[in-house]
Amino acid sequence: ILNVEQSPQSLHVQEGDSTNFTCSFPSSNFYALHWYRWETAKSPEALFVMTLNGDEKKKGRISATLNTKEGYSYLYIKGSQPEDSATYLCAFLQAGTALIFGKGTTLSVSS
Amino acid sequence: DTEVTQTPKHLVMGMTNKKSLKCEQHMGHRAMYWYKQKAKKPPELMFVYSYEKLSINESVPSRFSPECPNSSLLNLHLHALQPEDSALYLCASSPPGHPGPSDTQYFGPGTRLTVL
Repeated sequence: ILNVEQSPQSLHVQEGDSTNFTCSFPSSNFYALHWYRWETAKSPEALFVMTLNGDEKKKGRISATLNTKEGYSYLYIKGSQPEDSATYLCAFLQAGTALIFGKGTTLSVSS
Repeated sequence: DTEVTQTPKHLVMGMTNKKSLKCEQHMGHRAMYWYKQKAKKPPELMFVYSYEKLSINESVPSRFSPECPNSSLLNLHLHALQPEDSALYLCASSPPGHPGPSDTQYFGPGTRLTVL
């Protein structure tokens, strides 16, 4: 059974803090790793799709890194803002299978 | 039009009812997906359609019946559901071509289903 683990489960930070969370996945037959942001009552929104070991992607204050050999990806948010409050989901794709989602990390940013 | 729409937003049905969930996109995507998400759990893939043909069925009970009448529309027909089927049902689509590793999935907001 393929397992995607995300930690922490939830996180509360102050506005302006930088934060990061982890997605762990099986390191064999890696194909791709997706990150999504899911705000309450909205659709999950794609952030990044990462396919290469050592890949680093950036979108504004959010960036992500990928280590396929050891099976983890980090998502970083620099200078968190209240609008960053959401659940961040990672999803792992192994060759020949469909996307498998983690349970997500729920981020709450207070002003 | 860059969004996936789902109707209804909420649905309450009895165990003997027949109902349908609808998903629509006009982005020219040729892969469409149904996911089920229960509280505090990750979304779980149910079905994948690629070029209007069912390509993945993740051992979903037959009381869930998907249908893809054209490239923009995906339905999920529900019949004789159980209370444990209550969940958020998410639809997604991805760009033209067979689903590939770098294909971002675009999600709808989901239908919140309650089975009494």
